[in-house]
Amino acid sequence: ETGVTQTPRHLVMGMTNKKSLKCEQHLGHNAMYWYKQSAKKPLELMFVYNFKEQTENNSVPSRFSPECPNSSHLFLHLHTLQPEDSALYLCASSQPPGQINTGELFFGEGSRLTVL
Amino acid sequence: QQQVKQSPQSLIVQKGGIPIINCAYENTAFDYFPWYQQFPGKGPALLIAIRPDVSEKKEGRFTISFNKSAKQFSLHIMDSQPGDSATYFCAASRSYNQGGKLIFGQGTELSVKP
Repeated sequence: ETGVTQTPRHLVMGMTNKKSLKCEQHLGHNAMYWYKQSAKKPLELMFVYNFKEQTENNSVPSRFSPECPNSSHLFLHLHTLQPEDSALYLCASSQPPGQINTGELFFGEGSRLTVL
Repeated sequence: QQQVKQSPQSLIVQKGGIPIINCAYENTAFDYFPWYQQFPGKGPALLIAIRPDVSEKKEGRFTISFNKSAKQFSLHIMDSQPGDSATYFCAASRSYNQGGKLIFGQGTELSVKP
């Protein structure tokens, strides 16, 4: 497999459920990201990991909990979500910030989350 | 100051037309301006990018025009095709320190009619 793979592609959960989104990249990158995409709104950066360390938390509510066990895998743990959290959650990877590079993000196809 | 404002929100053109999508930013520290293309059911993918040391960049039918003094940049699609129908996002970042931490515009949904 190549690129950035996200699972599941679709998820429906109740407000009291606990679920996780998974992302895996096969590009040899060391930076990974979670973005939230809601209809008619800009993509919102949620979290950034560089070399497995979290370097950015963009004021994300604690009901979203990221985990990065290694440079190839990224998880987003979800618990007690609200209906307004329904969105497409995109994972991306890149060469880490701080180096002179294009900054190109490689995105997965996203996990479509619906909170009932 | 961190916002990137994109317009129009949606655009319909005939095949062969030249759709133009505009973006404006305020943070003068931004020095990397990419455009991403997203097809339904797919993640965004880098289309073309520019740095502020040039005023124009072309890649195939896609051209970015950049106006540093006005803090604006735009995407032109020459000889547009139905296969170009997608959502286009402009973005900006401070590439040296914040490479992948892009600030995105709201997106423009482009439809190219046959």
